[in-house]
Amino acid sequence: AQSVTQLDSQVPVFEEAPVELRCNYSSSVSVYLFWYVQYPNQGLQLLLKYLSGSTLVKGINGFEAEFNKSQTSFHLRKPSVHISDTAEYFCAVGSDSWGKLQFGAGTQVVVTP
Amino acid sequence: GAGVSQSPRYKVAKRGQDVALRCDPISGHVSLFWYQQALGQGPEFLTYFQNEAQLDKSGLPSDRFFAERPEGSVSTLKIQRTQQEDSAVYLCASSPRLAGSYEQYFGPGTRLTVT
Repeated sequence: AQSVTQLDSQVPVFEEAPVELRCNYSSSVSVYLFWYVQYPNQGLQLLLKYLSGSTLVKGINGFEAEFNKSQTSFHLRKPSVHISDTAEYFCAVGSDSWGKLQFGAGTQVVVTP
Repeated sequence: GAGVSQSPRYKVAKRGQDVALRCDPISGHVSLFWYQQALGQGPEFLTYFQNEAQLDKSGLPSDRFFAERPEGSVSTLKIQRTQQEDSAVYLCASSPRLAGSYEQYFGPGTRLTVT
């Protein structure tokens, strides 16, 4: 069985400040890890993914994440946020043969001036 | 190009009514997934199609939920005798690849409210 825990339900942050969103997973098999962003009334958009290789993954819009196998974590970071980064962020893990994803409960990021 | 589209975008149903939610995947995408996203939660897997074959329906919460993709393109998720706990956003995702890929493109979802 696998599970995904996002430790923060909401993260307020000032514009141009850094942000880190925490994600921990549990799985008995090799995993693939993802971060998605969801803007209001829109579908999910892939920010970045870890399938194998380098543990530091760079994604779109200046986001990056680091896979830490020993801590079973995949935290998302951005060094300087914009107002437009206000959205809900979901961490997800996939480990089956079909490609289905298991998502965390999400972290709402609110960027204020 | 056109992405994944879903219709209707919003649906209000009275308890006990049947509803049908449509997903138009990106043309040529062989894999199609349905997810259910309850308020304040992350999406949860419902079912998976590879072309017209439903290969995994382990996430369907009850036998009131039924999905089909008869010609391997458009898919319909049907919920019979809706209940209040069915209120959620239903997301569809398609992928150009067969099993083993996580390259999924999501539609905007259908928000179902059961009153």
